[in-house]
Amino acid sequence: DAKTTQPPSMDCAEGRAANLPCNHSTISGNEYVYWYRQIHSQGPQYIIHGLKNNETNEMASLIITEDRKSSTLILPHATLRDTAVYYCIVRPRMDSSYKLIFGSGTRLLVRP
Amino acid sequence: NAGVTQTPKFQVLKTGQSMTLQCAQDMNHNSMYWYRQDPGMGLRLIYYSASEGTTDKGEVPNGYNVSRLNKREFSLRLESAAPSQTSVYFCASSDSGDRGTPHNQPQHFGDGTRLSIL
Repeated sequence: DAKTTQPPSMDCAEGRAANLPCNHSTISGNEYVYWYRQIHSQGPQYIIHGLKNNETNEMASLIITEDRKSSTLILPHATLRDTAVYYCIVRPRMDSSYKLIFGSGTRLLVRP
Repeated sequence: NAGVTQTPKFQVLKTGQSMTLQCAQDMNHNSMYWYRQDPGMGLRLIYYSASEGTTDKGEVPNGYNVSRLNKREFSLRLESAAPSQTSVYFCASSDSGDRGTPHNQPQHFGDGTRLSIL
């Protein structure tokens, strides 16, 4: 599996956009980029995933660079409830191991 | 929408005791998973069930057994609990993806069972 690199912590003001970067320079052509988050004392929560095109859903947008070596998760209007650890995971399309490998993630603090 | 429900939420056991952690999902997913999460180590896969009637070992299966009771339910059993099994246990489920495989489908998690073994 390709490895990912994320900043250990970030903060943003409530109501502003939160942009969380992820580097995955060794990603291969059949690997997806997934984002999950874990709010304190809760289970991980799926946010979004993509292969090479930008994706948007009701929670967030995912911007993947043209060379696919990095991506950015965007929370357009962060709220206090978005304070969590965010994990960027690269996963092969045909992942026979079935497991998700969570790295250390980015701890996002949304300030009032 | 309940999603993935785990019971109990908290449990304290003595070394050598046995117990079963229950997990049920109401999303009609084919695949279910058990992970444990320890401080500084991320999530590690214990067992998974790709579909009803099948189970397979993950990274750290020793000391655990599982049962896929039906499509909705996937239980994790500790036959003789040890202090090293003190952890937070998460159950997850996912839908089938292309050609019936769950590989590229997102996993949906329960809120965990916090287990302490003295």
